[in-house]
Amino acid sequence: DTGVSQDPRHKITKRGQNVTFRCDPISEHNRLYWYRQTLGQGPEFLTYFQNEAQLEKSRLLSDRFSAERPKGSFSTLEIQRTEQGDSAMYLCASSSGELYSIEVGTHGNKLFFGSGTQLSVL
Amino acid sequence: GNSVTQMEGPVTLSEEAFLTINCTYTATGYPSLFWYVQYPGEGLQLLLKATKADDKGSNKGFEATYRKETTSFHLEKGSVQVSDSAVYFCALTAEVRWIQGAQKLVFGQGTRLTINP
Repeated sequence: DTGVSQDPRHKITKRGQNVTFRCDPISEHNRLYWYRQTLGQGPEFLTYFQNEAQLEKSRLLSDRFSAERPKGSFSTLEIQRTEQGDSAMYLCASSSGELYSIEVGTHGNKLFFGSGTQLSVL
Repeated sequence: GNSVTQMEGPVTLSEEAFLTINCTYTATGYPSLFWYVQYPGEGLQLLLKATKADDKGSNKGFEATYRKETTSFHLEKGSVQVSDSAVYFCALTAEVRWIQGAQKLVFGQGTRLTINP
């Protein structure tokens, strides 16, 4: 399987605990994104990396959240001192950042999403 | 700010029925518009896109036309199948030159579609 993979698929934790999620993008993709999706809502942008550099962070990403992509390959998203409001699906996506293509079905700048990590904070 | 409003679901249709899922947007500048689909247990997948006014995106029998005058990007399919059952998300990115910028997509809330045989 050469798609975007995320681990774990599900995580249940108690309030106040720290959790870490991992994302492995498609290997040749240099851009990696994190989104968060709460029940009944669409995904919301959190942050993105170009190679190992974190270039933008949403205001949704409080100080308790930190994301890394140390070698420009996989990425981790850590949430410290979890709160019940952190319960959501955390989605990772990657793209090649190469030349724009208008054709759906070719890579170009198309985003490829993983299946997500479902976090439940009790 | 930029936002997307989708027709509320869930939507339930019979096989071979005509489908429309409404999507309207608010954005500064000249956004690119997308429809993503999420099948049960799978990640979001790009279904189609349009990058300028009057463009029509199409894929797998689905179509959507970028209407700047009505700020809309409604999704249509002439004859739906059971396999089309999924959650559909309308989205935009307002990056002026998104080939170089990040794809900070703004999503609608999603519309769950169920097709009965």
